Amino acid sequence: DGGITQSPKYLFRKEGQNVTLSCEQNLNHDAMYWYRQDPGQGLRLIYYSQIVNDFQKGDIAEGYSVSREKKESFPLTVTSAQKNPTAFYLCASSMGTGGYEQYFGPGTRLTVT
Amino acid sequence: QQPVQSPQAVILREGEDAVINCSSSKALYSVHWYRQKHGEAPVFLMILLKGGEQKGHDKISASFNEKKQQSSLYLTASQLSYSGTYFCGTESGGSNYKLTFGKGTLLTVNP
Repeated sequence: DGGITQSPKYLFRKEGQNVTLSCEQNLNHDAMYWYRQDPGQGLRLIYYSQIVNDFQKGDIAEGYSVSREKKESFPLTVTSAQKNPTAFYLCASSMGTGGYEQYFGPGTRLTVT
Repeated sequence: QQPVQSPQAVILREGEDAVINCSSSKALYSVHWYRQKHGEAPVFLMILLKGGEQKGHDKISASFNEKKQQSSLYLTASQLSYSGTYFCGTESGGSNYKLTFGKGTLLTVNP
């Protein structure tokens, strides 16, 4: 079955710790994305990658970092510099950019206390 | 800039119709529509491209007015399964193909 997996579903961390969220896809998609969702805010783009070893900042990249060493993997690190990291994080992928539908993973709910 | 969706919320009885609007201040290359159930991932509904035709499947269709930078999603004869939050996402094109989502429209269909 092709799809996007994110793990874990729920994640709890103490303030000041870095945490890495996993995203894997077996759809052979070139482009991958990370979004953050807060109640009433819609989805806001953190980072996106159009191809392996390349990525661009989205609208709210501060306090986050990513890597794209393999086509199927796009991990997101939430650093201690992110002021308000508690949120629902969604990973997505698409065949390309510019008019391609995005497929979303099930999401990771991160709680930082 | 984030597209503006209206209404913010709508409540229907099963079988009624609804229209959700999405407007942008930028020239658009494409408009995407997604539906999200609470706590789940958004699910793709349809995409409308600049110069393309109105899309639709089953009882859900959408239009794209390029001149006004607006799109509308039409849900006819609504079913209970249509409940959820609907998001439009817009791409402006050029070298910038990132998708920018609106804040969503919460649709509730009651029996």
